[in-house]
Amino acid sequence: KAGVTQTPRYLIKTRGQQVTLSCSPISGHRSVSWYQQTPGQGLQFLFEYFSETQRNKGNFPGRFSGRQFSNSRSEMNVSTLELGDSALYLCASHNTGSYEQYFGPGTRLTVT
Amino acid sequence: AQSVTQLGSHVSVSEGALVLLRCNYSSSVPPYLFWYVQYPNQGLQLLLKYTSAATLVKGINGFEAEFKKSETSFHLTKPSAHMSDAAEYFCAVSGETSYDKVIFGPGTSLSVIP
Repeated sequence: KAGVTQTPRYLIKTRGQQVTLSCSPISGHRSVSWYQQTPGQGLQFLFEYFSETQRNKGNFPGRFSGRQFSNSRSEMNVSTLELGDSALYLCASHNTGSYEQYFGPGTRLTVT
Repeated sequence: AQSVTQLGSHVSVSEGALVLLRCNYSSSVPPYLFWYVQYPNQGLQLLLKYTSAATLVKGINGFEAEFKKSETSFHLTKPSAHMSDAAEYFCAVSGETSYDKVIFGPGTSLSVIP
């Protein structure tokens, strides 16, 4: 099976812009989680989607949003970018009833 | 609520020496426990998992971890460190139900000194 894919891998944006990141889970996995990883804050949970519904949400402002499509692919959007949003954004998928998560390579977002 | 602590944000070992990375958890239900490894500029990769079968779990790359319920610990070990083991290691615990998110620890950065 193909692994979790994330696009793009690298992104440079300017403060105030918005960005959309994409994640394609492993075939058959219906759950997708998003994480933000920074040197100072470590791995922080953003949200989880299951069958097109947000099932869990972390403590991030409303500028961070996501969605999941019927084919389980997921996107996350960050509006009004701030310098502090520079991070590695990781997506992970897992199978129904399994806790084991499979991570994509991440999208490195740099906000200037 | 579930939580994970990892003692030591940075650990350095000499090549060939024992690797010991500590993880303690709290859980209101019998947990599933995981260790993930992250190499620079990559995503996390599952090293091993405990799912209530054997308490000593063997993973990839020669790593193993032992579940000790009495100590609420799940420490990761490797008898002999290799340069390629230098990476970030994350311990994680399952949520109370399969619908709850997995809780990750803060991570431990392992350096291997030649």
